[in-house]
Amino acid sequence: GQQVMQIPQYQHVQEGEDFTTYCNSSTTLSNIQWYKQRPGGHPVFLIQLVKSGEVKKQKRLTFQFGEAKKNSSLHITATQTTDVGTYFCAPSLFFSGGYNKLIFGAGTRLAVHP
Amino acid sequence: SQTIHQWPATLVQPVGSPLSLECTVEGTSNPNLYWYRQAAGRGLQLLFYSVGIGQISSEVPQNLSASRPQDRQFILSSKKLLLSDSGFYLCAWSVPGPGSPLHFGNGTRLTVT
Repeated sequence: GQQVMQIPQYQHVQEGEDFTTYCNSSTTLSNIQWYKQRPGGHPVFLIQLVKSGEVKKQKRLTFQFGEAKKNSSLHITATQTTDVGTYFCAPSLFFSGGYNKLIFGAGTRLAVHP
Repeated sequence: SQTIHQWPATLVQPVGSPLSLECTVEGTSNPNLYWYRQAAGRGLQLLFYSVGIGQISSEVPQNLSASRPQDRQFILSSKKLLLSDSGFYLCAWSVPGPGSPLHFGNGTRLTVT
């Protein structure tokens, strides 16, 4: 079945440094979603990318969808301690009958040292 | 606005005991409902999904089962828990349709002893 690989699995940075996590697929994706899970919390939807080469920004977060729609990245500029958590990418597959299935990557755990 | 409630927040159960986790959604009709499990420090594994009352699909074979007795109620059950059932169980809902994001409940942290 369709899978995505996320790298790195874990990264720790000093506060103020940049951070990037990558999501790679061997197959073309129709779309990809990103989620953030704070320690002890539940995943929260951040954004969805649909178009080839799409770039979306949310304050210090920049999301990109590759031209071939096989990879995606999340870049955080000047990390803050509030950015701590695990970031998941999740392409979605839509089936007839209304079922929307998300395949979650293993996630990248970000630690930020003040 | 839509809200999702999941309980209990934490649960410690002995091996061989039954399990019932409940999830309800408010503020929307005919949602897609999901149960995910997350092992410590790991990713999210889809266990069950439902597109309507009484319609349950299983993604992985195991000793867990799910039921949807009402449109906005989703229940995860087991007759006899195993040690390997320990984990963080998350219920989620989405609007039916392509690319709809998932909205997760706060989760239940289950420890089987």
